[in-house]
Amino acid sequence: EAGVAQSPRYKIIEKRQSVAFWCNPISGHATLYWYQQILGQGPKLLIQFQNNGVVDDSQLPKDRFSAERLKGVDSTLKIQPAKLEDSAVYLCASSSQRGTGYAGANVLTFGAGSRLTVL
Amino acid sequence: EDKVVQSPLSLVVHEGDTVTLNCSYEVTNFRSLLWYKQEKKAPTFLFMLTSSGIEKKSGRLSSILDKKELFSILNITATQTGDSAIYLCASGNTPLVFGKGTRLSVIA
Repeated sequence: EAGVAQSPRYKIIEKRQSVAFWCNPISGHATLYWYQQILGQGPKLLIQFQNNGVVDDSQLPKDRFSAERLKGVDSTLKIQPAKLEDSAVYLCASSSQRGTGYAGANVLTFGAGSRLTVL
Repeated sequence: EDKVVQSPLSLVVHEGDTVTLNCSYEVTNFRSLLWYKQEKKAPTFLFMLTSSGIEKKSGRLSSILDKKELFSILNITATQTGDSAIYLCASGNTPLVFGKGTRLSVIA
């Protein structure tokens, strides 16, 4: 089974510039997550999609971050304009959600991440 | 607000030592507790625990959950340099809430 693909792996931009990250989840996984991991911290959820609908975006800074999942497969996360504090690794993950009572739906498979440095 | 707290935050041991990593949680809708290993790439899944007192084992790694006291431990016996990584604990419902991780360094 192919894993979760992310690109680019690394990106360096100046503050106020924009950046976009792409994620392709495991085939057949209905649920896709974007997490932000700042150095020394655990991953923090930014947004969760179920197919192409948003389930939870309560922690997404919507004034500068946006995300979409067209056709319920690939997803793109955009930051515009970037701030210094956005420097982090952006992790995409997917899971096979088989219903709210299924504990295994919590088993996320992560991509390698996209490391963003904002100067 | 759901909370997952890991301790210690960092640990340095010698090869062959046994280590215990701790994870306590306060979540409103507990479904499972998960452990991940994160090297310089994607976090990889280690264990999922849903029932109290049941030990999950994989080689030198094992984990147990105490749902009454709301904590879990991850044990690694006979540590090797390849065990050096950040170990993440996560709990809750969907989505998962992660702790800050324990950075384990195993020196030869």
